[in-house]
This record gives sequence, structure tokens and C-alpha cells, in this order.
Amino acid sequence: DAGVIQSPRHEVTEMGQEVTLRCKPISGHNSLFWYRQTMMRGLELLIYFNNNVPIDDSGMPEDRFSAKMPNASFSTLKIQPSEPRDSAVYFCASSTRRGPGELFFGEGSRLTVL
Amino acid sequence: DAKTTQPNSMESNEEEPVHLPCNHSTISGTDYIHWYRQLPSQGPEYVIHGLTSNVNNRMASLAIAEDRKSSTLILHRATLRDAAVYYCILRPAYGQNFVFGPGTRLSVLP
Repeated sequence: DAGVIQSPRHEVTEMGQEVTLRCKPISGHNSLFWYRQTMMRGLELLIYFNNNVPIDDSGMPEDRFSAKMPNASFSTLKIQPSEPRDSAVYFCASSTRRGPGELFFGEGSRLTVL
Repeated sequence: DAKTTQPNSMESNEEEPVHLPCNHSTISGTDYIHWYRQLPSQGPEYVIHGLTSNVNNRMASLAIAEDRKSSTLILHRATLRDAAVYYCILRPAYGQNFVFGPGTRLSVLP
């Protein structure tokens, strides 16, 4: 079975450029999460969706960040314009909403903003 | 959000059991206890979860205190591949706030 698929795995860009990270959740999962991980702040929950609807985006750092989930099999996290402090590993995870709902993570997208 | 506290780091010798503690004194009656681990340069992976009773799976065992205010993840025979950061989190039954703390960094010595 395919797990959570993220792309790109690595992205290097210059300050001011737009960055789009992509995620395909596990088929049948109806909750999707975006996390950011840095050495200083650990794993931070940015936003999560239930049934394609954003439920809590209180972790999104600022207006430069936006996330969408146009259908059950695809989500994007966009940063525009990017800044060096956005450099981090961004993880997408999915789960079922019912029951214990264990999280399944993708391999992450490592973003470097120069 | 419900919070958990874990030791920052622990060490174990290879092939010995490891007991990783977690305190969650503010747990509510419907919170699931989840454990995840993150190997170097990988995303976190699910290890085990429980609600009230102790649980076993192929990776580990989870011992839950009777009052549910603490739990212990047990690795029966640590291997070098078990060196990772282990996270204990609470998952509300009616919410999806999977909030990760700093976890416990486990070192396994050969």
C-alpha cells in the first residue's frame, strides 16, 4: 500500500520566491495535517483538514502561508514570498477521523530558502 | 491542549529492555495515548496507542497506569535501529489536535 506521498523531497529557493509543497494522503483517510520541523521549535502543527475542510489553521505562522485541499487525494502548502526563516522540513500526515486515528507521515519536504 | 511530559533523553544498552515514561496528568477520559518515534532523517512513525488497557504489538508494549495519568512505552530488546526520538501524545476522541512535544531522545549503546 502506498503511504503518504510528498513532493518535492528537497527544494532550494531564493528569498522572495513562491514555494509550493504537495501531499497525497493515504486513500480512505479523511484527515490531513501539515507540520513543520526545525531544530529550534521541534514539530509544529500548522493546519489540519477534515473531509477537505480546514479545521484549525492557528499554527500557520503568518499570511505568507496558505494551505488548500481541493479534493480528498491532494493538498498543497504554499509560501509566498518565502524567507530564510521558513527553512525547515515540512511533513504531511493523514489519518482516519474515527477511532484512535493513528497518524501516518510522509517522508517530508526539506526546504532551504537562501 | 492536553500536554505530556517526557525525559529529554535516555540511554540503553543493546538487547536490554527500555522503559520510556510519559506523564499526562491532565488527560481526559476520552483521550487516546499515542506513541510515535522519529528515526534520523525520517518522518515520525506510529508505534502504538492505548486507551485504558495495556497493549502489545510487534514493535512495543504500552503500559497505562490505572489512573491513566502516566504511561510507559516498553521496548523489550533494544536494537541499534531503535535509536530515535520517541513522542508521547494525547489524541482527543472528538478532536484532531495531534500536538507533539520535544519527546525523548533514546540512544542505544552497542
